[in-house]
Amino acid sequence: QMTLKESGPALVKPTQTLTLTCTFSGFSLSTSGVGVGWIRQPPGKALEWLTLIYWDDDKRYNPSLRSRLTIIKDTSKNQVFLTMMNMDPVDTATYYCAHFWRGMTPIHNYFDYWGQGTLVTVSS
Amino acid sequence: QSALTQPRSVSGSPGQSVTISCTGTSNDIGDYNYVSWYQQHPGKAPKVIIYDVNKRPSGVPDRFSGSKSGNTASLTISGLQAEDEADYYCCSYHFWSSYEASYFVFGIGTKVTVL
Repeated sequence: QMTLKESGPALVKPTQTLTLTCTFSGFSLSTSGVGVGWIRQPPGKALEWLTLIYWDDDKRYNPSLRSRLTIIKDTSKNQVFLTMMNMDPVDTATYYCAHFWRGMTPIHNYFDYWGQGTLVTVSS
Repeated sequence: QSALTQPRSVSGSPGQSVTISCTGTSNDIGDYNYVSWYQQHPGKAPKVIIYDVNKRPSGVPDRFSGSKSGNTASLTISGLQAEDEADYYCCSYHFWSSYEASYFVFGIGTKVTVL
């Protein structure tokens, strides 16, 4: 049973840096074909893909947010961290982390297990 | 990064079929079969219902089906049921200048209403 849970501050001030932690169980990020990604959803709006880290430490970023995002993993602790710099009120959203199954042969590419999400509000 | 285009809303009566389109470009849907669909009920996390354009994960009812033609993917819900009322999002791999620069993109979402 794969589970993921996001944690971090519920409130950040404009210009601050946000750091979120995704703690997971039921799988290892050292397993070939596995990844963990971050997706966010502003209140009442659509999902937005942010970033993804693979088992081999390869990383992908949303090009529109690339300069502000960093994703890293701690495989031994089953955790993935998202850092977003220079937060703005428009970044107010529920942030989800999710298990990503890329596979090896064949390749798949989809999010199959999601955390419950954590709401982050950006306000002074 | 541009979101994939979906209709804002579709509706149907119980038992009917509805189809949601998801339009991208030749850099995503058109050239790659990495299209997935997610169902999201209010206040809940998304749930994958289709991956690789037309594959259903274990436990997803077979009334959900996916297809693709050109730059457009589609999700069809046959035999609409009350519990299918939700938001639906498509997602695709997007190639951008190099493998290392590739990323994923979601659609704008479609609200399905069961009349």
